[in-house]
Amino acid sequence: DSGVTQTPKHLITATGQRVTLRCSPRSGDLSVYWYQQSLDQGLQFLIQYYNGEERAKGNILERFSAQQFPDLHSELNLSSLELGDSALYFCASSPGTGGLAFTDTQYFGPGTRLTVL
Amino acid sequence: AQKITQTQPGMFVQEKEAVTLDCTYDTSDQSYGLFWYKQPSSGEMIFLIYQGSYDEQNATEGRYSLNFQKARKSANLVISASQLGDSAMYFCATSHGNQFYFGTGTSLTVIP
Repeated sequence: DSGVTQTPKHLITATGQRVTLRCSPRSGDLSVYWYQQSLDQGLQFLIQYYNGEERAKGNILERFSAQQFPDLHSELNLSSLELGDSALYFCASSPGTGGLAFTDTQYFGPGTRLTVL
Repeated sequence: AQKITQTQPGMFVQEKEAVTLDCTYDTSDQSYGLFWYKQPSSGEMIFLIYQGSYDEQNATEGRYSLNFQKARKSANLVISASQLGDSAMYFCATSHGNQFYFGTGTSLTVIP
């Protein structure tokens, strides 16, 4: 158990809908990262937050957005869902900022499996 | 440009033998991190080992060691005394600039 929690574990929805994925980082970790893992794209970094502020952005679609709240939990919002958004979405946390060195070890949650029908 | 490359889609190893999983990376940064993660069939991502670009010694964590060759830009994972529970996908990852990249993974099967 990494100490990172994600809810829900599974989510099934229809195209065009909007969903929210939730992540609680390990106790004391200030950075939260979101990743998408799909069969065709592999593991892709989406976005990083540190202490409530966006720090780094990867291959995140405009239909997706995230935020980190004062209690450090984070939410990933996916809207206008398409079939291709079906994937395993991971949240990870680390103690530091990541910053330019990005050398913090990240600890992953169990993931949320999203199925878009 | 591909930042991290894992050329072995699948590997087999006999139980109790050692196995090396290959990883090469591409960066012009001086400061970066290299990571290995394990993903069993249950889906979770498990951190195994970390190597910093300035670390002189190869990282070790129990049965895992990282064969870091900076000049060749390689960071191979060595698993000693393989166990059946080591059967999983293994991902190499690196930081580059303000991004984080994963390789495509190597599927390891441990044969009894």
